[in-house]
Amino acid sequence: QKEVEQNSGPLSVPEGAIASLNCTYSDRVSQSFFWYRQYSGKSPELIMSIYSNGDKEDGRFTAQLNKASQYVSLLIRDSQPSDSATYLCAVIGGSNYKLTFGKGTLLTVNP
Amino acid sequence: DADVTQTPRNRITKTGKRIMLECSQTKGHDRMYWYRQDPGLGLRLIYYSFDVKDINKGEISDGYSVSRQAQAKFSLSLESAIPNQTALYFCATSDYPRPYGRAGELFFGEGSRLTVL
Repeated sequence: QKEVEQNSGPLSVPEGAIASLNCTYSDRVSQSFFWYRQYSGKSPELIMSIYSNGDKEDGRFTAQLNKASQYVSLLIRDSQPSDSATYLCAVIGGSNYKLTFGKGTLLTVNP
Repeated sequence: DADVTQTPRNRITKTGKRIMLECSQTKGHDRMYWYRQDPGLGLRLIYYSFDVKDINKGEISDGYSVSRQAQAKFSLSLESAIPNQTALYFCATSDYPRPYGRAGELFFGEGSRLTVL
């Protein structure tokens, strides 16, 4: 059973702080990694994708991947109340290109 | 209009009834998926289809069936609904994977909330 694990939270940070979201995966041949954001009652939307070891930055978001440790993280700098949502880690492994989602981490940014 | 449209958006039904959730897309993607989301359990894959002639079971296909009527249409059926199928259902599409394993992102519909009494 290929698994993607996330802390369920809730993770609470003050406005302006850095929020750090973590994800581990069990399938060593996983090759593509994604972070989706889901507001309550809404559909998930992709905010970051990363495919190789290291950091990838996009605005206030930074995704970090360490394949040796089977670990992917998302940092949100200067957190805003509008960042309050559930963040889903998703991983593609093997050759069938199906996404496996983690259960999500609920982030709350307090004004 | 949304690129991925699900109907109905909300449905309340009774145990034993047959229910169909429909999904249509204008993104031109070959790949379509049905997920179910339950509080605390995340998104779980029910069925997926990589083209009109290709249907595959996901991790929780029991009690569900699907039909890929066309490239743009993918329907999910509950032949005899039961209360534990009460959930939020999402249809999603994706493009063909890019080279070097860079698979396309998923584009989700707005969801169909199903309640089985």
